[in-house]
Amino acid sequence: QTVVTQEPSFSVSPGGTVTLTCGLNSGSVSTSHYPSWYQQTSGQAPRTLIYNTNTRPSGVPDRFSGSILGNKAALTITGAQAGDESDFYCVLYMGSGTWLFGGGTKLTVL
Amino acid sequence: EVQLLESGGGLVQPGGSLRLSCTTSGFTFSSYAMSWVRQAPGKGLEWVSAIGGGGRSTYYADFVKGRLTISRDNAKDTLYLHMNSLRAEDTAVYFCAKHAVVAATPIDYWGQGTLVTVSS
Repeated sequence: QTVVTQEPSFSVSPGGTVTLTCGLNSGSVSTSHYPSWYQQTSGQAPRTLIYNTNTRPSGVPDRFSGSILGNKAALTITGAQAGDESDFYCVLYMGSGTWLFGGGTKLTVL
Repeated sequence: EVQLLESGGGLVQPGGSLRLSCTTSGFTFSSYAMSWVRQAPGKGLEWVSAIGGGGRSTYYADFVKGRLTISRDNAKDTLYLHMNSLRAEDTAVYFCAKHAVVAATPIDYWGQGTLVTVSS
């Protein structure tokens, strides 16, 4: 069974930089998986941060960037702010019109 | 402005049925694939199903096993999720989501979600 892996939790200091990753339990993540990242603050709908590996929708600050690092997709947040405390989810395209989310990373800014 | 508004959630008994709707505005509905994504209480996001812009192509997560059916009415700019043989584990907030173009492109917009509770 294919599983998308994410760090369950991560901490970053205000103003710091953090990189969250998104991998596969078997195989490597590539641009062909169209990795995308979503931010969800408690009780709210998800917000699209990054899609197609590294594309930011209009309105998303350039503090958020996406990339492929080694065999994983990565979301880097620079200049972390208290308001960035959220759950971050990645999703990968698995082919045949199907998608698979990772379990999410809970980011704490302290 | 893209807007997605889900409705139809509520309390249903195990084995029961429900139909969720997602009314849309702010974009040419028939030109875009749409998905349903769910989130059980305290859990992560889980992709459920997608449908192409024309409505002919549908895609499902393995766990759906024929109990959930996605459809759309392009004349009404509305997406549906028909849910049958509901189980306690189907309890979740169900989000309607728009894809960037076709189902093989990422989700770019989300609705606010509608809560489905399966309980006796």
